[in-house]
Amino acid sequence: ETGVTQSPTHLIKTRGQQVTLRCSSQSGHNTVSWYQQALGQGPQFIFQYYREEENGRGNFPPRFSGLQFPNYSSELNVNALELDDSALYLCASSFRTGGDNEQFFGPGTRLTVL
Amino acid sequence: GENVEQHPSTLSVQEGDSAVIKCTYSDSASNYFPWYKQELGKGPQLIIDIRSNVGEKKDQRIAVTLNKTAKHFSLHITETQPEDSAVYFCAADPPGGSQGNLIFGKGTKLSVKP
Repeated sequence: ETGVTQSPTHLIKTRGQQVTLRCSSQSGHNTVSWYQQALGQGPQFIFQYYREEENGRGNFPPRFSGLQFPNYSSELNVNALELDDSALYLCASSFRTGGDNEQFFGPGTRLTVL
Repeated sequence: GENVEQHPSTLSVQEGDSAVIKCTYSDSASNYFPWYKQELGKGPQLIIDIRSNVGEKKDQRIAVTLNKTAKHFSLHITETQPEDSAVYFCAADPPGGSQGNLIFGKGTKLSVKP
C-alpha cells in the first residue's frame, strides 16, 4: 500500500452540484496529479500541482479546478456536475526531480452523479 | 499528442503459465513507461517501469521489454499465480508539458485459473 490517502471513498451528488475531493500525498513527495477513471477505462490526466501551482492540464474544462497546500496535500473541485462526471477520481503523488517521476496512486474516490 | 494502445483487452491463463501484454505508443520522444496493476476497488499499483535508455528490466517474475524503434513495450509475467489476477495498465510519459502526465492504455483484464 502506498502512503497516498483520499477522502471520501464514495460520494453521491446530483447534476449541477459542486464537489470537493481531497488527497494527502505520500511522505516526502511534493507533487500531486489528479486522474479521472471511467468504468472500464484507463485513468485520464486532469492536472498536476507542484509548489502550490497548477503545472500542466489535460483535456478537462475549467469547471475542474484544484488546489495544493503547503503540506503538499491537494483538493480537486468540480463545479456544475454532469452525469458524465461519474467516475473514480485518483490522485497520484510523486517527488519532482529533473527526470521522470514514479507516481504512486491512492485508492480513489468513487463519484456518482445522479 | 501521445496515444497508447494496449492488447489484449482480456487474457485468461492457467496457473503456472506465462502472460504477455503488449502496448504501442505514438510519440517517439516518450521516455518513461510504467506498468500498473489495479485490483478491484483499489487504485493502480506501480509494479515495474522502464526508461528509454534500457531495453529490458526484470523483477522476480515480472519483466518489461522496450523496442524504441518499433515504439512498443511489453509486460511479461512468468509462473502466474491466482493473485496475479487483476487489470493491468501500461502508460507512457510524453516529453514536454508537465512531468507526470501519464497517458494510459485501456487496460488488460488478466484472469489466472487455478
